[in-house]
Amino acid sequence: SQQGEEDPQALSIQEGENATMNCSYKTSINNLQWYRQNSGRGLVHLILIRSNEREKHSGRLRVTLDTSKKSSSLLITASRAADTASYFCATDRTGANNLFFGTGTRLTVIP
Amino acid sequence: EPEVTQTPSHQVTQMGQEVILRCVPISNHLYFYWYRQILGQKVEFLVSFYNNEISEKSEIFDDQFSVERPDGSNFTLKIRSTKLEDSAMYFCASSPKGQGFNQPQHFGDGTRLSIL
Repeated sequence: SQQGEEDPQALSIQEGENATMNCSYKTSINNLQWYRQNSGRGLVHLILIRSNEREKHSGRLRVTLDTSKKSSSLLITASRAADTASYFCATDRTGANNLFFGTGTRLTVIP
Repeated sequence: EPEVTQTPSHQVTQMGQEVILRCVPISNHLYFYWYRQILGQKVEFLVSFYNNEISEKSEIFDDQFSVERPDGSNFTLKIRSTKLEDSAMYFCASSPKGQGFNQPQHFGDGTRLSIL
């Protein structure tokens, strides 16, 4: 199975702290993407990292990718209450157009 | 910013009935997708569609399911003879190009399908 796994499943932090979520996957990829999902809503694309990239930044987000370990991490710095959501990693498969989503990390940021 | 829109937001149907879920992808996108998310579980790929035909489908997408792009804007998912286990959130997504071009997918807010 291609599907990734995130850990932790749930994370609760105080506002202002950093949040780190990890993702592992199983097969070769073109890219890895992180999405956010607020309760009852659709998935919002956050950041895409290509298989030949090791680190990428976007605002308060920092993503790393280690293709030798088939793992990625998402760091949200200086968290805010509005960051409370579920975060999913998604991978494609070389030659395919669909995404495989992980199980997600439920982040709660306490004001 | 352009959005993917899905209707209805919530659909309640009796088991055995047919349902059609509708999506309007972003207008200049060429690839379209359907995913589903059973409550509390991960998002699962159903089907991708390009150039008026299915490009890939998962094991979930069996003969009970079909997709169609009836005109230049709508993209529909039809589920025949619905079963209780079809209850889920169904998400439509679109992207300008395929994943080989490292494209993010843009998702709608989903249709919550409840089978009674």
